[in-house]
Amino acid sequence: GQNIDQPTEMTATEGAIVQINCTYQTSGFNGLFWYQQHAGEAPTFLSYNVLDGLEEKGRFSSFLSRSKGYSYLLLKELQMKDSASYLCATSNGYNKLIFGAGTRLAVHP
Amino acid sequence: GAVVSQHPSWVICKSGTSVKIECRSLDFQATTMFWYRQFPKQSLMLMATSNEGSKATYEQGVEKDKFLINHASLTLSTLTVTSAHPEDSSFYICSARGQGPQTQYFGPGTRLLVL
Repeated sequence: GQNIDQPTEMTATEGAIVQINCTYQTSGFNGLFWYQQHAGEAPTFLSYNVLDGLEEKGRFSSFLSRSKGYSYLLLKELQMKDSASYLCATSNGYNKLIFGAGTRLAVHP
Repeated sequence: GAVVSQHPSWVICKSGTSVKIECRSLDFQATTMFWYRQFPKQSLMLMATSNEGSKATYEQGVEKDKFLINHASLTLSTLTVTSAHPEDSSFYICSARGQGPQTQYFGPGTRLLVL
């Protein structure tokens, strides 16, 4: 089966750095995705990791450790517009995405 | 970039009626499309996988006779909620997959309210 855990809510200050963790247990693994979702909107793709290590893309970075079943999304230089839900999702051998419950991030001035 | 559209974006219907939602990949061919449902403050729950030219594969607990999926072409999949009831009110989102695992693009979603 599939099980994905991430914190329900986080708060951070504008300009700061925040790390959102995700642990997973899956039968079949074909990569880990992070999506951003603003309230009432569809998710937008942030990152994809299939190999261990850190992938950096501007203010956002994503890390994967397959042996530990662990990933994190790192957001730097936080802006108010980064307030959103961040969804961790794994892709199985059939390329289906299974989503975690999401982490609601609130960025305060 | 790849664009996926959904129509309608909003629908309000009476209990017992059927509602059809369209998902289109506008500038690429999608061999596979996925349908998700999301309740308020919850994550996306995969309902079914739609493959062009074949029957959809439904996730456990999803009634295939209630949620009819048709993937008539490489750019269009439809979800029909038959005999909708208030508990079917939700945010329905489709995604379309092109080539490779990274290329899954989401539509803007359809908000369904059943009265």
